[in-house]
Amino acid sequence: DIQMTQSPSSLSASVGDRVTITCRASQSINIYLNWYQRRPGKAPKLLIYAASSLQSGVPSRFSGSGSGTDFTLTINSLQPEDFATYYCQQSLSTPMFTFGQGTKLEIK
Amino acid sequence: QVQLQESGPGLVKPSQTLSLTCTVSGGSISSGSYYWNWIRQHPGKGLEWIAYTSYTGNTYYNPSLKSLVTISVDTSKNQFSLKLTSVTAADTAVYYCARLVNWGRGDTFDIWGQGTMVTVSS
Repeated sequence: DIQMTQSPSSLSASVGDRVTITCRASQSINIYLNWYQRRPGKAPKLLIYAASSLQSGVPSRFSGSGSGTDFTLTINSLQPEDFATYYCQQSLSTPMFTFGQGTKLEIK
Repeated sequence: QVQLQESGPGLVKPSQTLSLTCTVSGGSISSGSYYWNWIRQHPGKGLEWIAYTSYTGNTYYNPSLKSLVTISVDTSKNQFSLKLTSVTAADTAVYYCARLVNWGRGDTFDIWGQGTMVTVSS
């Protein structure tokens, strides 16, 4: 299985900050990397697909980059609703999809 | 807007069978080239993909769970279901259903249900 490692596992930031979350794959996955947001009591939400494509309806303060084994999710100008847990997911080895362990973004 | 909603018992006894259903609303489960999935998250752990089905009944399972899991689809009810046999405490988790789509650049879970917590305990 392709292992996905996110860092950091938790992060404290303030409204208006810029934050970056990293995801590393155990082998090259090209651009087959998606990012999701999970807020308590809400359905997980697709933010970014294919490493850098913004899902329709997602605010432009979210962006993704990377290819191969190293990827980043950046959130510019944090808003209160952005405090959540974020997951990366690889889709190279479909359908054996694997996810990162999550990064919990908390208010400082 | 397509929405997914999981339903099932919140508590299951060890060795029993867990049955969950995902109801698709706002669209037909039979339309488009989608796969319908179950994913779970153990307390404090990451997400684990379990299985998927197409609306025609083509299925694929996570090999680590294959012998215990059955996924099925009922197009007349616009639902798909998961059965997990011989459950143990290790099956305690939040179970999500999700739609899988391929836009030409990899498979993506574009719509998820809110999740349902299942506890295995006597």
